[in-house]
Amino acid sequence: QSALTQPASVSGSPGQSITISCTGTTSDVGGYNFVSWYQQHPGKAPKLMIHDVSNRPSGVSNRFSGSKSGNTASLTISGLQAEDEADYYCFSYTSSSTGVFGGGTKLTVL
Amino acid sequence: EEQLVQSGAEVKKPGESLKISCKGSGYRFSSYWIGWVRQMPGKGLEWMGVIYPGDSETTYSPSFQGQVTISADKSISTAFLQWSSLKASDSAMYYCARRSYVGRDMDVWGQGTTVTVSS
Repeated sequence: QSALTQPASVSGSPGQSITISCTGTTSDVGGYNFVSWYQQHPGKAPKLMIHDVSNRPSGVSNRFSGSKSGNTASLTISGLQAEDEADYYCFSYTSSSTGVFGGGTKLTVL
Repeated sequence: EEQLVQSGAEVKKPGESLKISCKGSGYRFSSYWIGWVRQMPGKGLEWMGVIYPGDSETTYSPSFQGQVTISADKSISTAFLQWSSLKASDSAMYYCARRSYVGRDMDVWGQGTTVTVSS
């Protein structure tokens, strides 16, 4: 199946908020509440930031939030900090019982 | 501490076989699905497939079906990813990750194994 669609890059200044979108289809994002978001710093393994559309794992800052409307999920980071600069990937379960990632979004903190 | 520890970096020639590993600890390994994720140099994450170590039920992404084999040995809490004949295009970082107990997210990740295939 095709990768979920994310913007290639987003940027924001410290203290601002940004939102990253993740668009799929009714066979993945729109059909299930199994959307998750991962943060990846250069040379590091991905880290789970949001699961099941809008739930934060223990230890993840409440500046990170997730939502979904139809076939599009979103990750919002409020109060941007320099340490938030990283690549972000969305992920969804699919109707084929497989999984699919988004293409990734590079977040730059100006 | 729940963790996944992967085997070390590999350098292979085209046509060679390879099996990399992912050992779980700190939790009941047989009760959680383990997935494999590819990241080619400078590129994004790609979901390859998952295995349930309890009964070795496996699901592959259509993109990787027939290209790799995912297996597990619950007696040693280890999952494997193997190739029978490597290609240069298999050069990448490979991550294993534990799927959460209830959802479909990946909550614990290995450190990654770099595979380089070059003549």
